[in-house]
Amino acid sequence: ILNVEQSPQSLHVQEGDSTNFTCSFPSSNFYALHWYRWETAKSPEALFVMTLNGDEKKKGRISATLNTKEGYSYLYIKGSQPEDSATYLCALSNAGGTSYGKLTFGQGTILTVHP
Amino acid sequence: DGGITQSPKYLFRKEGQNVTLSCEQNLNHDAMYWYRQDPGQGLRLIYYSQIVNDFQKGDIAEGYSVSREKKESFPLTVTSAQKNPTAFYLCASSTIDRFGNEQFFGPGTRLTVL
Repeated sequence: ILNVEQSPQSLHVQEGDSTNFTCSFPSSNFYALHWYRWETAKSPEALFVMTLNGDEKKKGRISATLNTKEGYSYLYIKGSQPEDSATYLCALSNAGGTSYGKLTFGQGTILTVHP
Repeated sequence: DGGITQSPKYLFRKEGQNVTLSCEQNLNHDAMYWYRQDPGQGLRLIYYSQIVNDFQKGDIAEGYSVSREKKESFPLTVTSAQKNPTAFYLCASSTIDRFGNEQFFGPGTRLTVL
């Protein structure tokens, strides 16, 4: 079983603060790193899928970076808003055989943005 | 509307009974997945299927069974052998391609075993 670690486990920030979280993973057999946002009472939704070392992706105020050689990804939120409150999940896809497509998730970072 | 449906949203069963959770998708995805979520933990993979009539065990398959007779459907049976079945269950589907297969999730079923 792959070990995908996310930190911190939870985070409380004020509206307007910028914040970031970390996802750490084993760098061997890396294929893709996914970030999902899971709002309360909704289904998880994909934010980014990153495959190349040095990848940077951006969607509005949210961006992510990837370092496959050292095995980490950062998710940044600029100017947090209350609607950003959610659990942010990262997941690792590694290549090979019948595991193709299988994701291993971290435990998530719970973000609460206070007005 | 294209998407994934799971039913029921809440399910209560007595200990020792088998129960089947439904998952249907109309996204024409080849792959389907079942995850379990417990408080304070991430999503853990129970079973997945990349093609009809074939499926693979995930990390926590013991006490569960699945079938994939149709591309659209991937039901999960929680058997009496599952020692701690009370949990939130999520179904997902995806294409299978070389660029990183984003998964689309259903709304989930919360199972409580009394």
